[in-house]
Amino acid sequence: EAGVAQSPRYKIIEKRQSVAFWCNPISGHATLYWYQQILGQGPKLLIQFQNNGVVDDSQLPKDRFSAERLKGVDSTLKIQPAKLEDSAVYLCASSLTDITYEQYFGPGTRLTVT
Amino acid sequence: KQEVTQIPAALSVPEGENLVLNCSFTDSAIYNLQWFRQDPGKGLTSLLLIQSSQREQTSGRLNASLDKSSGRSTLYIAASQPGDSATYLCAVPLGSQGNLIFGKGTKLSVKP
Repeated sequence: EAGVAQSPRYKIIEKRQSVAFWCNPISGHATLYWYQQILGQGPKLLIQFQNNGVVDDSQLPKDRFSAERLKGVDSTLKIQPAKLEDSAVYLCASSLTDITYEQYFGPGTRLTVT
Repeated sequence: KQEVTQIPAALSVPEGENLVLNCSFTDSAIYNLQWFRQDPGKGLTSLLLIQSSQREQTSGRLNASLDKSSGRSTLYIAASQPGDSATYLCAVPLGSQGNLIFGKGTKLSVKP
């Protein structure tokens, strides 16, 4: 079974530029999550989708971050404009909508904002 | 508000030692607890998931226990190997929807 795919793996941009990340979850997983992990910290949820609907985006900085999950499969996360403090690893995870909600993570995208 | 704490922040042991990593959480009303491993520059690999009704789970040399009443979980690694060197994170879901609250992790180094 293929795992969660993410691209790109690394991205370096200047502040005020825009960037987009892509995630393809495990086939059949209805729930998709985007987490932000700052160096030395545990991941923090940005947004959670179930199919193509948003379940929780309370911690998403909506003035600069946006995310969508068209057709309930792939998802994109966009930052526009980027700030220095957005430098982090962006992790995508997916899970079945069952009692366990066990999450499976992709390799992440490491963003550096200069 | 759920908070997750992991102690110690870092641990260095010689190869072959048995070791225990600790995780504590402030709200005992959890659905499950998940332990992850993270290698440098990589994503998270799920190691064990313990349901709230379970006391422990085992996978190979790993054993995770859960005591909901005291808000604690431990990850026991038997006969540690250099390949076990990584950061270990524990996480609990916020409510029933699965949003995970993570600790900051324990960075483990196993010396040959």
